[in-house]
Amino acid sequence: DGGITQSPKYLFRKEGQNVTLSCEQNLNHDAMYWYRQDPGQGLRLIYYSQIVNDFQKGDIAEGYSVSREKKESFPLTVTSAQKNPTAFYLCASSPDSSRETQYFGPGTRLLVL
Amino acid sequence: GDSVTQMEGPVTLSEEAFLTINCTYTATGYPSLFWYVQYPGEGLQLLLKATKADDKGSNKGFEATYRKETTSFHLEKGSVQVSDSAVYFCALSGAAGGTSYGKLTFGQGTILTVHP
Repeated sequence: DGGITQSPKYLFRKEGQNVTLSCEQNLNHDAMYWYRQDPGQGLRLIYYSQIVNDFQKGDIAEGYSVSREKKESFPLTVTSAQKNPTAFYLCASSPDSSRETQYFGPGTRLLVL
Repeated sequence: GDSVTQMEGPVTLSEEAFLTINCTYTATGYPSLFWYVQYPGEGLQLLLKATKADDKGSNKGFEATYRKETTSFHLEKGSVQVSDSAVYFCALSGAAGGTSYGKLTFGQGTILTVHP
């Protein structure tokens, strides 16, 4: 089955720790995205990548980093500089970076210990 | 920049009631418009979309019409079911040359609860 997978489903972070959220797609999509979802605020764009080895900051990139070494993978690292990381993180992909529909993964919930 | 405003929720309805969730937008040119649905603990699923003025998107009994003159994309369903209980997001992807081209800008979401 084609789709987007995110792991883990739940992730716990200790103070001062970096954690990495995985996102993999087998849809052969060029573009991939990371969003953060907080209650009552909709989704906000963290980073996006239009093609392998290229990515751009979204609206709330501070405290996060990404890489895009392979077409099918777009991991997100939440660094210790992100002071309020507790949220639901959603990865998405689309065939290209125009106005195509984006397809979402099941999400990772990050909690701070 | 581009923005999306949804009616405030939550919305609570009885089964078989008529549903309207309002969505208005601000954008340069002609954006593409989307409704996404999120069931508890899950990611978002595309419900319907429209890419040009006067287009009507429809799926699973839901409909929305792209109204350029009122910059709106209201979601409607004639008879809701308990299984429609979810969070609904209106979103736009901006026209080329705009600030949100190739990206989705979301409304804040509307929680819908349908009782038997």
